[in-house]
Amino acid sequence: SAVISQKPSRDICQRGTSLTIQCQVDSQVTMMFWYRQQPGQSLTLIATANQGSEATYESGFVIDKFPISRPNLTFSTLTVSNMSPEDSSIYLCSASGTSSTDTQYFGPGTRLTVL
Amino acid sequence: GENVEQHPSTLSVQEGDSAVIKCTYSDSASNYFPWYKQELGKGPQLIIDIRSNVGEKKDQRIAVTLNKTAKHFSLHITETQPEDSAVYFCAASNTDKLIFGTGTRLQVFP
Repeated sequence: SAVISQKPSRDICQRGTSLTIQCQVDSQVTMMFWYRQQPGQSLTLIATANQGSEATYESGFVIDKFPISRPNLTFSTLTVSNMSPEDSSIYLCSASGTSSTDTQYFGPGTRLTVL
Repeated sequence: GENVEQHPSTLSVQEGDSAVIKCTYSDSASNYFPWYKQELGKGPQLIIDIRSNVGEKKDQRIAVTLNKTAKHFSLHITETQPEDSAVYFCAASNTDKLIFGTGTRLQVFP
């Protein structure tokens, strides 16, 4: 199984600022994903980050708001740009092998509060 | 696209009893069905999964059943323990992405 770490674990930010969340996997993986989980809610996929190609965004999420980097097979970043209180949420990174039907492992999440 | 419904939203059981959580999916092409357990302040942890070529899978006190015809799958936890208390999510995938259910908060009372 893959072990995934995220930084920071939590942060409190002012509106209008940006935060970059880092995700590190202890082994090489093909696919990495970023999810948002609002308090007491389910997980919503923001985008799929594939090494060597641009991220694929889900409906309702755009690159200008959530730029993603994937420089290699073990690391990805998600930036939440120009934050508003509505962006307060838990952001989760996950990783799997060659497709989402491979076992998907999750990081511990980043709890973001925007004031 | 795929839609996954999950019931119940909350479930309270006495320690030692069984707990069953049910999910239905809409896309007949879905072929992978994982279950995740999420404890407070932590990321989801995979506890069991099943693929469409299998009807049932068991791992100690946890089992999952799949009915492809009816497009539903269930999580069964036997001999529940207080440490089973958490939020459980089902998900479905057809190689594109995981679609999650709405979650079930399970409370096991000693």
